Amino acid sequence: GAVVSQHPSWVICKSGTSVKIECRSLDFQATTMFWYRQFPKQSLMLMATSNEGSKATYEQGVEKDKFLINHASLTLSTLTVTSAHPEDSSFYICSARDSSGRGGRTDTQYFGPGTRLTVL
Amino acid sequence: RKEVEQDPGPFNVPEGATVAFNCTYSNSASQSFFWYRQDCRKEPKLLMSVYSSGNEDGRFTAQLNRASQYISLLIRDSKLSDSATYLCAVNSGTYKYIFGTGTRLKVLA
Repeated sequence: GAVVSQHPSWVICKSGTSVKIECRSLDFQATTMFWYRQFPKQSLMLMATSNEGSKATYEQGVEKDKFLINHASLTLSTLTVTSAHPEDSSFYICSARDSSGRGGRTDTQYFGPGTRLTVL
Repeated sequence: RKEVEQDPGPFNVPEGATVAFNCTYSNSASQSFFWYRQDCRKEPKLLMSVYSSGNEDGRFTAQLNRASQYISLLIRDSKLSDSATYLCAVNSGTYKYIFGTGTRLKVLA
């Protein structure tokens, strides 16, 4: 149980293009999903909290117009990197919070396999 | 001071050894704590969660010390397959996690 998928697993694109990454919770509903970015040899940095049916909450320093987040259903959140540039190349990972109370807790996050973005 | 701090390592230990990592946090209101394992170029996988004093699962034991604001992870009888980066995550009450930079463990044959 508690499986989260991400698609695509990797993408290479030209500078200036937009890239959409999907995050799905496969066997549970997630009212809250999180988007992280991880640069080589660094830890995960939270970019934004995606809330089903409402606007995402962005962390300080993250441009909301550049990283568009949509959480249209209880099992799907998307991150669109608009006008990508080489400095946006990174490992993007989503997580989904299982609020069902599985295991007696409602705050456990389960991570997707990540999307490796390379912008040329 | 960082909100969550870990010694980056690497910790190089022989097979069969016992190794322990610490993770300190600055927000005394933090409510729950997690240890994740991350292999190279992979996503983090939940290893253990810690809500009260501690938790044990086989060779792995996590302890929470609220007075000193740290959590620890103890691995007994280390295996080669335990080689990975161990990330500490702290939930400060808004369901958002703050991650430490991770501690690299290398178990040597």
